[in-house]
Amino acid sequence: ETGVTQTPRHLVMGMTNKKSLKCEQHLGHNAMYWYKQSAKKPLELMFVYSLEERVENNSVPSRFSPECPNSSHLFLHLHTLQPEDSALYLCASSQGPGGAGAAEQYFGPGTRLTVT
Amino acid sequence: AQSVAQPEDQVNVAEGNPLTVKCTYSVSGNPYLFWYVQYPNRGLQFLLKYITGDNLVKGSYGFEAEFNKSQTSFHLKKPSALVSDSALYFCAVRPPETGGFKTIFGAGTRLFVKA
Repeated sequence: ETGVTQTPRHLVMGMTNKKSLKCEQHLGHNAMYWYKQSAKKPLELMFVYSLEERVENNSVPSRFSPECPNSSHLFLHLHTLQPEDSALYLCASSQGPGGAGAAEQYFGPGTRLTVT
Repeated sequence: AQSVAQPEDQVNVAEGNPLTVKCTYSVSGNPYLFWYVQYPNRGLQFLLKYITGDNLVKGSYGFEAEFNKSQTSFHLKKPSALVSDSALYFCAVRPPETGGFKTIFGAGTRLFVKA
């Protein structure tokens, strides 16, 4: 449970605010992910970093901006969000590249974001 | 389009009875297959995966899953359910040609185990 940590656990922000979500993994992995989880919908992959380089960017609006300063840390910077962005944001890590396809992901507990 | 279907939003089972949570997928090639579980206020936890080999895969907490290539299914099973198994279960598929990072998740199935 403590392998991947996320802060804050809960965040309420107005549409004009700027905030950041933080993720840290203590598993020695070199791939990190951001997902958005909305009720009764599949998890949506937002961004993937491998060896601190972005390798996947799934048409995410520019109001979400990721940053990966090293293989243990991942940030999601938020600005001018919309109410429909309210969701649970999950961070995950896995071993990769090289055999990355077979590697399972380890998830943090998530940040529950509410945009008012 | 590539997709994963979990046809049941909810599965109800009595404690001690066997359980099955269904998953089918539409992905080309030979994807890697995963099951994850999510308890309230927690992130997803890995249960088991199929990469290659024996079609019956055993995982954590007594769960197992059966891969059926002809039916493109990967159903999760447990011989005897516990109340503590009540949670949200996600099937996930990773197409091999995406470089190993893109995972397609189903919408989830909520399992209720009644004492």
